[in-house]
Amino acid sequence: DAGITQSPRHKVTETGTPVTLRCHQTENHRYMYWYRQDPGHGLRLIHYSYGVKDTDKGEVSDGYSVSRSKTEDFLLTLESATSSQTSVYFCAISGGAGAVVTDTQYFGPGTRLTVL
Amino acid sequence: DQQVKQNSPSLSVQEGRISILNCDYTNSMFDYFLWYKKYPAEGPTFLISISSIKDKNEDGRFTVFLNKSAKHLSLHIVPSQPGDSAVYFCAASGYSGYALNFGKGTSLLVTP
Repeated sequence: DAGITQSPRHKVTETGTPVTLRCHQTENHRYMYWYRQDPGHGLRLIHYSYGVKDTDKGEVSDGYSVSRSKTEDFLLTLESATSSQTSVYFCAISGGAGAVVTDTQYFGPGTRLTVL
Repeated sequence: DQQVKQNSPSLSVQEGRISILNCDYTNSMFDYFLWYKKYPAEGPTFLISISSIKDKNEDGRFTVFLNKSAKHLSLHIVPSQPGDSAVYFCAASGYSGYALNFGKGTSLLVTP
């Protein structure tokens, strides 16, 4: 398995508070992604990064921001959490050195976030 | 609009038999397809993939078939084992390094 960790693994917070989730990889993969998983929706892309300081929006980016200051870390921030952001968040990576195909993504263990 | 569809939310199969999970897609630009397996409280695990230039790819008990004209792919698991009980996600990609488009998943239960 690719070396991907997410922290925290569980978090309960209140509406209106800021929250930051961290994804850390030890694989030196170029691309990093944040998805959320909700019942009836599969996994949906929030934001992704194609290099240090290079990020772009995904399908469900409203209310989220990201930053990538180092290859190994990709942060997801909820500036002011809402109950609709209660979800399970997964980080993924792809595009390792020498990879022929960069589309195969490897996922972290997930963070369960509850916004009360 | 869902571009990758898994129309069967659940499937139950007896141990030793074949499990067939289906997936349909609508975007003809997709050229790479993947299957992921997910256990509760864990992240999705990559299982097998297929490029659009192929129509079949095998890896042990797992085989993925791609029918481009029908925009349909399927995952065959033979023989099915109780440890295969999980949610299986189909995903598709059209751009290298970009997002995967996921189906909603099929929950497979393999009974002894």
